[in-house]
Amino acid sequence: KQEVTQIPAALSVPEGENLVLNCSFTDSAIYNLQWFRQDPGKGLTSLLLIQSSQREQTSGRLNASLDKSSGRSTLYIAASQPGDSATYLCAVHPWMEYGNKLVFGAGTILRVKS
Amino acid sequence: DGGITQSPKYLFRKEGQNVTLSCEQNLNHDAMYWYRQDPGQGLRLIYYSQIVNDFQKGDIAEGYSVSREKKESFPLTVTSAQKNPTAFYLCASSGQGANEQFFGPGTRLTVL
Repeated sequence: KQEVTQIPAALSVPEGENLVLNCSFTDSAIYNLQWFRQDPGKGLTSLLLIQSSQREQTSGRLNASLDKSSGRSTLYIAASQPGDSATYLCAVHPWMEYGNKLVFGAGTILRVKS
Repeated sequence: DGGITQSPKYLFRKEGQNVTLSCEQNLNHDAMYWYRQDPGQGLRLIYYSQIVNDFQKGDIAEGYSVSREKKESFPLTVTSAQKNPTAFYLCASSGQGANEQFFGPGTRLTVL
C-alpha cells in the first residue's frame, strides 16, 4: 500500500531564506506527484504537477523535483516571504489504480517570519 | 470564473441527523472526488466519480453516500451511521485519467 511521508512536520524560517520541503513515498510505481498549498481553513491550491517521466517542474520561485526510483520529491522555495506561510501537501497518484486517486502526506506547516 | 464551489462553508449537525454537503464545478471535468481532512492528517478519500451515474468507494466510505446525476454536481450525504463526522470536507475535480486535481474551498462540519 502506498504511503506518503513529509518531513519536517513544521518549519519556521526568517524571511528571505531559501528552503526545501521533503516528500517520500513507499512505492515508486506512480503516474505523477502533485504539490499543494493550503491556507488555514481553506481548500487546496495546486502548485506543481510532475509526471513520472519528468525530473522537475518550476513555477516562479517554486521548483519541485522528482526522483521516482528513490521515492522522493522536494519542493524548493527561493527567497521565502511571509506570504508563503501555509501548509504544503504532496500527493502521489499510484500506478494501476482505477480513477485518479491521490494518496496524500500529512503536510509541512511553514512559517516565514518577517 | 471557472472553479469549484462548496456550500455551506460551515455546517452543524445534531446527533442522528443526515446532512448533505454541496459541490458544484464549472470546469467541465468528468471526475469528481470527496475527501475528509482531520487535524494533523493528510486527506483521505471518501468517494469518487469518474463519470455521470457512476461512483466508487474510497478508503473511508462507511457512513457516507453520494450521487452523480449531473456532470457539474457531486453532493455528499453524511449519514447518522458516521460515528465521528466532525471534520473538514473537501471536494475536488479533474479531467479523465491521471490529471491535475483542483479543489473547492471546503465545508467544516461540526457535530453538536
